Amino acid sequence: AQRVTQPEKLLSVFKGAPVELKCNYSYSGSPELFWYVQYSRQRLQLLLRHISRESIKGFTADLNKGETSFHLKKPFAQEEDSAMYYCALSNTGKLIFGQGTTLQVKP
Amino acid sequence: KAGVTQTPRYLIKTRGQQVTLSCSPISGHRSVSWYQQTPGQGLQFLFEYFSETQRNKGNFPGRFSGRQFSNSRSEMNVSTLELGDSALYLCASSAMTGTGTYEQYFGPGTRLTVT
Repeated sequence: AQRVTQPEKLLSVFKGAPVELKCNYSYSGSPELFWYVQYSRQRLQLLLRHISRESIKGFTADLNKGETSFHLKKPFAQEEDSAMYYCALSNTGKLIFGQGTTLQVKP
Repeated sequence: KAGVTQTPRYLIKTRGQQVTLSCSPISGHRSVSWYQQTPGQGLQFLFEYFSETQRNKGNFPGRFSGRQFSNSRSEMNVSTLELGDSALYLCASSAMTGTGTYEQYFGPGTRLTVT
């Protein structure tokens, strides 16, 4: 079955600390993976796509097919990074989301 | 470009009633998907429409239906509302990128409360 797992519901770090939001997936084939972010009172927005191997707002994510993971990382967290983060797998046009991780960056 | 818009933003209905939600995609996007977001179940895929045809369907009962018009605008309908249908309903539009993937862009959602 296709599934996305985000094991942490809440991740709390201090400003300046490194951040790693975990995402594991189950998919038989070549996955298309994304990270979406939802800031307070804002709409869900695309943060990263695995195929682009880019860095957005200091965040990066590497697809590890051996470990079936797509963890989101940032070396130095900022308070404005506080939000809900969703990992998502694209399957023929539909997105399968993980349960989401709330990132709380304390001052 | 203007983003995805959804109307209405908030809706209160009574059990047994039906409701229609509307979504206008980003100009040029031909694919529209619908998702239900609840605290317990998270984000769940309802269905996807492309060029007026349903291309994908999630695991929701037949009370949930949708359609897409020739201008790519989409509506979803829920009949015989139940308390458990209370949720934020999100619409997303997408188009193929240069890398051959579809990236979905979300609207603000319609908050449906069933009493």
